[in-house]
Amino acid sequence: EVQLVESGGGLVQPGRSLRLSCAASGFTFDDYAMHWVRQAPGKGLEWVSGISWNSGSIGYADSVKGRFTISRDNAKNSLYLQMNSLRAEDTALYYCAKDSKQWLVWGYYFDYWGQGTLVTVSS
Amino acid sequence: DIQMTQSPSSLSASVGDRVTITCRASQSISSYLNWYQQKPGKAPKLLIYAASSLQSGVPSRFSGSGSGTDFTLTISSLQPEDFATYYCQQSYSTPGTFGPGTKVDIK
Repeated sequence: EVQLVESGGGLVQPGRSLRLSCAASGFTFDDYAMHWVRQAPGKGLEWVSGISWNSGSIGYADSVKGRFTISRDNAKNSLYLQMNSLRAEDTALYYCAKDSKQWLVWGYYFDYWGQGTLVTVSS
Repeated sequence: DIQMTQSPSSLSASVGDRVTITCRASQSISSYLNWYQQKPGKAPKLLIYAASSLQSGVPSRFSGSGSGTDFTLTISSLQPEDFATYYCQQSYSTPGTFGPGTKVDIK
């Protein structure tokens, strides 16, 4: 059974940093690209960042580019999101999602999602 | 970035109704369109990928169609467990933008 378990969320002041983790199991982690998708309270889904199977291809939403860094450790079956210079508008539930493909290419879809970890940015 | 729109933004329907949700892309995305269902307090769930392919385990009352810029998700006979919010997502390019969602609730 595929499982994605996010952790690392919490309350943080504006301008500070936070690192999210996603522990994956039930599939061959290094065969697939992975993504972070967020959802602000009461709002829709926003793709944040994605990383290919070997970390060779990485993408970011314009809203987080230069502030967030995605990474993965295939030996630990784990995905990470380092979030710096956090803003109030980064407040959201952050989901880890498994891609259907190895690379960040067209035709992908997110076939498994974690339950999310809540990040609240407030003073 | 490719912009996605959905209509309606919400609808009320009864059990057994046929429901159709529309998604439109700001430019052609071929058939690179996915549909997700999200229930309150839960993670999104993949229903349809590549515009019309049913994800494994998803009931056959769900179907998708379209190509280019216009797509539809159809629920042939609405069931109580289908009351949820539905999102389309384009996977033609990165970022994989989502539509704003369509909330389906009970009439």
